[in-house]
Amino acid sequence: DAGVTQSPTHLIKTRGQQVTLRCSPKSGHDTVSWYQQALGQGPQFIFQYYEEEERQRGNFPDRFSGHQFPNYSSELNVNALLLGDSALYLCASSSGTGGAKTQYFGPGTRLLVL
Amino acid sequence: AQSVTQLDSHVSVSEGTPVLLRCNYSSSYSPSLFWYVQHPNKGLQLLLKYTSAATLVKGINGFEAEFKKSETSFHLTKPSAHMSDAAEYFCVVSDRGSGNTPLVFGKGTRLSVIA
Repeated sequence: DAGVTQSPTHLIKTRGQQVTLRCSPKSGHDTVSWYQQALGQGPQFIFQYYEEEERQRGNFPDRFSGHQFPNYSSELNVNALLLGDSALYLCASSSGTGGAKTQYFGPGTRLLVL
Repeated sequence: AQSVTQLDSHVSVSEGTPVLLRCNYSSSYSPSLFWYVQHPNKGLQLLLKYTSAATLVKGINGFEAEFKKSETSFHLTKPSAHMSDAAEYFCVVSDRGSGNTPLVFGKGTRLSVIA
C-alpha cells in the first residue's frame, strides 16, 4: 500500500518565479492538506482540499493556490516567489475531513528560493 | 482557536533512561491530540493519537502519552530511550468537535540520545 507521495523532492527557483508541487494521497484517502515548514519551525497549515474544493485555508496570501483532481491528487502553486517561501512543503492525506481524522504525511518537497 | 506549547525546545537523555517531552494545549472544543516524529530529512510519522477514549494512549516504538484535561497537558513518555529515538517531536492539536479543522503544531522538541 503506497503512502503519500510528493514530487519533486527538491526544487530551486529564483525570486518572482512560479512553482507547482504535486501530491498523491494514500490509497483510500480523499482529503489533502498542505503545510509549510520553515527551517527550525513546526509545520503551518496552508489549505485543505476535499471533493475538489478548498475547504479551509490558513493565514497564507493569495499567491498560494491549489487544486485537487478527481483522483484526489493535489497540486500546490506558489506565484511570485519570495525568499521567505524557502521551506519544506508537506502534503498530508486523510479519509474525510474533521479534527479527529488522522493525517498521514508525505516526505515533503524542499523548495529553495534564491 | 487552538494552540500548542512545547515546553522544551531541546531534551537530552542517555540511552536506556526515561524520556519525557512536555506539551500543553489550548482548544475551544474537545481536542484531538497527536504526537508526530520527524527524523532528519524525512517526513512526519504519527506516534500516537488521542481522540476521546482512554486517557492513556499507547503508540509505536514504546511511546505513550497521557491526556490530562485538568492540566491541559499531553506529555509524551518512553521508559527507555534508544539511539534511534533521536529526532524532532511535534505535539499537535485539532478541534474534534468542529468540522474542517487543520492540525496546529507546536514548535517542536529536539530529542538527543547520548550513548
